[in-house]
Amino acid sequence: AAGVIQSPRHLIKEKRETATLKCYPIPRHDTVYWYQQGPGQDPQFLISFYEKMQSDKGSIPDRFSAQQFSDYHSELNMSSLELGDSALYFCASSLVSQHETQYFGPGTRLLVL
Amino acid sequence: AQSVAQPEDQVNVAEGNPLTVKCTYSVSGNPYLFWYVQYPNRGLQFLLKYITGDNLVKGSYGFEAEFNKSQTSFHLKKPSALVSDSALYFCAVRDPLTSNTGKLIFGQGTTLQVKP
Repeated sequence: AAGVIQSPRHLIKEKRETATLKCYPIPRHDTVYWYQQGPGQDPQFLISFYEKMQSDKGSIPDRFSAQQFSDYHSELNMSSLELGDSALYFCASSLVSQHETQYFGPGTRLLVL
Repeated sequence: AQSVAQPEDQVNVAEGNPLTVKCTYSVSGNPYLFWYVQYPNRGLQFLLKYITGDNLVKGSYGFEAEFNKSQTSFHLKKPSALVSDSALYFCAVRDPLTSNTGKLIFGQGTTLQVKP
């Protein structure tokens, strides 16, 4: 079965640079969630989208923005990167009618030097 | 506020023995509860969930969990552990009263170590 696809899998950036993370949800899933998992930490909710509209917002810095496109894929844009942004970024998708279960992608590991 | 607690950072068990990974929660309404497993350098894999109905839910790889409303717990169990079960386990909760968007609140995670 198709799973959530995230790209790139690994990313190395310098401080103050920008990064774009991409997420392709499971086909027919209409809701996308982004989570950030710092080293040794639990995943923290950042933001979610349903039908291309932002549906909820968590602890996402103002330097970050995200959107969901007409094909339901989503991009997380991160600017003015800081060392503390180094983390594993997960995307998850679900069907809003069954949004009890979120299926996670493999994550993008971002390292900011 | 919603919260999830996994009181044990690590659980050690011998292969073939039963295992329990503990989880307690705090939500204002009836919770939706989940267990995910994370292998090194991998994403989160869904194991099982409780939404409503039978308090004992069965999931993938022989895992099960029991919802206990009075104790606000949702402990993960398996009758006979395998070395391959060694991983990081996360309990998560969604409170449908305060969040209609499905965002999950995760516990701190418990490392399960199964020794041969």
